[in-house]
Amino acid sequence: AQSVAQPEDQVNVAEGNPLTVKCTYSVSGNPYLFWYVQYPNRGLQFLLKYITGDNLVKGSYGFEAEFNKSQTSFHLKKPSALVSDSALYFCAVRSLSGGYQKVTFGTGTKLQVIP
Amino acid sequence: ETGVTQSPTHLIKTRGQQVTLRCSSQSGHNTVSWYQQALGQGPQFIFQYYREEENGRGNFPPRFSGLQFPNYSSELNVNALELDDSALYLCASSPGTSLSYEQYFGPGTRLTVT
Repeated sequence: AQSVAQPEDQVNVAEGNPLTVKCTYSVSGNPYLFWYVQYPNRGLQFLLKYITGDNLVKGSYGFEAEFNKSQTSFHLKKPSALVSDSALYFCAVRSLSGGYQKVTFGTGTKLQVIP
Repeated sequence: ETGVTQSPTHLIKTRGQQVTLRCSSQSGHNTVSWYQQALGQGPQFIFQYYREEENGRGNFPPRFSGLQFPNYSSELNVNALELDDSALYLCASSPGTSLSYEQYFGPGTRLTVT
């Protein structure tokens, strides 16, 4: 069974400082990994994904994520946080099982950027 | 380009009743997925439809069923509603079934079961 863990319910960071939101995963086969952001009372928005290739992937709004196969991690990063980055962040993994698609999201990490 | 739309926005139902939620996929997208997001939780995958056939399903009982229409819009039906079905239901579309595609989410339907 596949799983996604986001070990931190909340991350607080000062504006202008670098931020990291952690994600680890477990999946059979090659991982298809995604980060989404959710603003209050809104649906999820896609940030970035890792499919194959470079371990460092870049996405929207200056976010990037580092894929680490040996540690089965896919941490979200940003060099300089903005107050407007405050939101709920979800890591997700997709896979095929018996020809059927499955998607698993983590429980989410609330990012609070302090002015 | 029209994004993913869902209706209704909010819904209140009584335990034991049936409910139908609707979703229009983003223009050009032929694959639709449904998720249940309980308060304070991550989205839970219910199922996915491609060309009117279910091609993915999470751990939800058969009383959760769906349809996809030729125009790629979709419905989520829930029978015999339970209090625990209270949640935000999200619809997401993508341009195909490849695992590499990101999904585009609608704003959701807030279902309250009393």
